Amino acid sequence: AQTVTQSQPEMSVQEAETVTLSCTYDTSESDYYLFWYKQPPSRQMILVIRQEAYKQQNATENRFSVNFQKAAKSFSLKISDSQLGDAAMYFCAYRSGAGNNRKLIWGLGTSLAVNP
Amino acid sequence: NAGVMQNPRHLVRRRGQEARLRCSPMKGHSHVYWYRQLPEEGLKFMVYLQKENIIDESGMPKERFSAEFPKEGPSILRIQQVVRGDSAAYFCASSPVTLNTEAFFGQGTRLTVV
Repeated sequence: AQTVTQSQPEMSVQEAETVTLSCTYDTSESDYYLFWYKQPPSRQMILVIRQEAYKQQNATENRFSVNFQKAAKSFSLKISDSQLGDAAMYFCAYRSGAGNNRKLIWGLGTSLAVNP
Repeated sequence: NAGVMQNPRHLVRRRGQEARLRCSPMKGHSHVYWYRQLPEEGLKFMVYLQKENIIDESGMPKERFSAEFPKEGPSILRIQQVVRGDSAAYFCASSPVTLNTEAFFGQGTRLTVV
């Protein structure tokens, strides 16, 4: 069975600085997707970034980028130029690329605080 | 195009009562996923439904929980005879048939059992 591990329950960063959130996963599949979701106090799950396992290039979305190390099964999220609005829970998630089932397997999350 | 709509946002039930949580998917989406988020934890997959069919219920507790997605109307997650341990946030996500599109999430229903 696939698992997702986030080893940092809490992180903090100064406004305008850079922070990296860690995620490791375990799978025997070769075709899969990895995600980072943001959950602000409103509870809405917001997709931050997606990475296809077959792509070697790391995904980037504006200030958010990932470091995808397939052999090490590591998928970290880097937030550059942190803003107060980035404060939230961040979840790493996995889904299989096989079939039509888009169910996600989630880590326990990292609570990010941004200090002014 | 409205997003995924869940209602109610907050639901309080006494132990032993039934809870019904509703999810209206985005227009054109025929796949629905339900997740449960216990306090201080990540989300856990419960069930995946297509119109009138349960595709994957590997995460559903064997007793008291059921889900449906009828041809017309919203998807319903039903919890019978609720217990304190059912208190959680329940999220619904919907997706279209198109394979290269991820599911969109609703804002969740927070169930409190007193």
